[in-house]
Amino acid sequence: SQQGEEDPQALSIQEGENATMNCSYKTSINNLQWYRQNSGRGLVHLILIRSNEREKHSGRLRVTLDTSKKSSSLLITASRAADTASYFCATDRGTSYGKLTFGQGTILTVHP
Amino acid sequence: NAGVTQTPKFQVLKTGQSMTLQCAQDMNHEYMSWYRQDPGMGLRLIHYSVGAGITDQGEVPNGYNVSRSTTEDFPLRLLSAAPSQTSVYFCASSYIAPSSTDTQYFGPGTRLTVL
Repeated sequence: SQQGEEDPQALSIQEGENATMNCSYKTSINNLQWYRQNSGRGLVHLILIRSNEREKHSGRLRVTLDTSKKSSSLLITASRAADTASYFCATDRGTSYGKLTFGQGTILTVHP
Repeated sequence: NAGVTQTPKFQVLKTGQSMTLQCAQDMNHEYMSWYRQDPGMGLRLIHYSVGAGITDQGEVPNGYNVSRSTTEDFPLRLLSAAPSQTSVYFCASSYIAPSSTDTQYFGPGTRLTVL
């Protein structure tokens, strides 16, 4: 089964609203990363949060990590139509060199 | 820099045929990897390499071979294609392992259909 599981599977919002996506995982991790994938394209790295960090910001992105609940959330503030994409979390369990485990993704649609 | 390039972009094979998916990067990255992405699923790691001459298996290696003779290239070989290998394949690279703070760069993908 997938280490990371995103929730919701799909999210539809209006421009200007905030979008929140959640990721849960099963085993302890070294770090957790979020990626964006535009339709028909490769993945783009957004942000990495280490297991000893609780919150991280990058522009309009805010990521939180709760290792006690084994969960992370990605918040996109003041969303734009260009944010329409699939968003994936990926976990590094630290046991195998370089092996990331990806979740199934959240499809975000931002309506103009 | 061209980044990570993959060829071909699309490919249709018949069951039993073999082929090689090409991946190249011009960023002098030591770490390269291959993933497959199936509908409704996240990416799954097939094989990875931490440097020229060194490769290892990922989560779903069966039916695929890799080699790494140069830092720049990391081809993925399908030995005898099966319909279950219909997928989108992504190559990725990073200076060091993505388990660090390093960013992993992805290619545009190869969409493979096996009939």
